[in-house]
Amino acid sequence: AQSVTQLGSHVSVSEGALVLLRCNYSSSVPPYLFWYVQYPNQGLQLLLKYTTGATLVKGINGFEAEFKKSETSFHLTKPSAHMSDAAEYFCAVSDQASGTSYGKLTFGQGTILTVHP
Amino acid sequence: GAVVSQHPSRVICKSGTSVKIECRSLDFQATTMFWYRQFPKQSLMLMATSNEGSKATYEQGVEKDKFLINHASLTLSTLTVTSAHPEDSSFYICSASTSGTKTQYFGPGTRLLVL
Repeated sequence: AQSVTQLGSHVSVSEGALVLLRCNYSSSVPPYLFWYVQYPNQGLQLLLKYTTGATLVKGINGFEAEFKKSETSFHLTKPSAHMSDAAEYFCAVSDQASGTSYGKLTFGQGTILTVHP
Repeated sequence: GAVVSQHPSRVICKSGTSVKIECRSLDFQATTMFWYRQFPKQSLMLMATSNEGSKATYEQGVEKDKFLINHASLTLSTLTVTSAHPEDSSFYICSASTSGTKTQYFGPGTRLLVL
């Protein structure tokens, strides 16, 4: 079984400040990890993903995340927030099931990011 | 690349009627498509997984006779909400993935309102 916990349903930062959105996961198999962003009344857009290899993953719009196996974490960061970053962010883990051609996603509860001028 | 569309984007229907939502992968072949529903201020809940040419696999608690899923081609999956009721009102989102990437690409969602 898999699960994802996003600490903090709401995060508020000032424009130009560091963004840190926390995600912890549990998985019985090596996980694939994802961050998605959702703007109001829209679907989800992939920000970045970790599958194997380098643990620091860079994504779109200046976001990056680091996979820390010992801490079972995959926190999302951005050095300097922009007003356009205001949205809801979802962390997800995939059940990289052997022998299947797809991965079922389990999502966290989501974190709403507010950016103040 | 990896664009997924949904149609319609918004639909209002009367209680008891059926509604069909289409999900298309526009620039890739989707071996697997997923259907989610999202209630206001909540996360996405997986309803079912469908592989092209096979019957869909439904999550526990999802009524397969109420939410009919068809994945007839590598670029199209449909979700039909049969005999819709007001409690079926929700935001329905599909996603698609290919056999190699194990990455899901999401459609823009369909807002269903049942009166």
